[in-house]
Amino acid sequence: DQQVKQNSPSLSVQEGRISILNCDYTNSMFDYFLWYKKYPAEGPTFLISISSIKDKNEDGRFTVFLNKSAKHLSLHIVPSQPGDSAVYFCAASGGNNDMRFGAGTRLTVKP
Amino acid sequence: NAGVTQTPKFQVLKTGQSMTLQCAQDMNHEYMSWYRQDPGMGLRLIHYSVGAGITDQGEVPNGYNVSRSTTEDFPLRLLSAAPSQTSVYFCASSYGRVDTEAFFGQGTRLTVV
Repeated sequence: DQQVKQNSPSLSVQEGRISILNCDYTNSMFDYFLWYKKYPAEGPTFLISISSIKDKNEDGRFTVFLNKSAKHLSLHIVPSQPGDSAVYFCAASGGNNDMRFGAGTRLTVKP
Repeated sequence: NAGVTQTPKFQVLKTGQSMTLQCAQDMNHEYMSWYRQDPGMGLRLIHYSVGAGITDQGEVPNGYNVSRSTTEDFPLRLLSAAPSQTSVYFCASSYGRVDTEAFFGQGTRLTVV
């Protein structure tokens, strides 16, 4: 039962353009959402998060949008840079120490 | 700062063997957790700890044991390895709850043959 879904296994964008990574969830009890970035042979690193009381959170080039009614969140990277090429994981939690991850989206930013 | 350190980085086990994956953090975090990553599945929580002496099960705990005798260390034990435990294992620590921003180790790639 995959409660967090990232339906696009991969995404390719041109340097300088916007990257949009999407994530859907099914559990309405989730109230905190996170994005992690992972390079090969390394552990995931925290990127940005959003609480369910907000619909947008911004940190530099990274913005996360949350649509609670659609149970959907997205990560926008503007402008995209080659160093952003990595696997991005969406994660969600409901306050019970149980964080659920999506399967990840591999982003490739072409110079 | 070393952050979260996992050893070993790679391991091959035969079915039925036991082993311990080591995890240590130097950030004085109370919360620590173990995940496994399988293709197409994302990361799944195996066990977690909210402090020394306190552990609990996550989403996929079967076949694994943990203990937390100190704040720094959180080893994961495979008592009798099975091919289904072939995976990449990540240890994480966090300042707040287990399901908040976490710092991950580099991972242990385990193959059970």
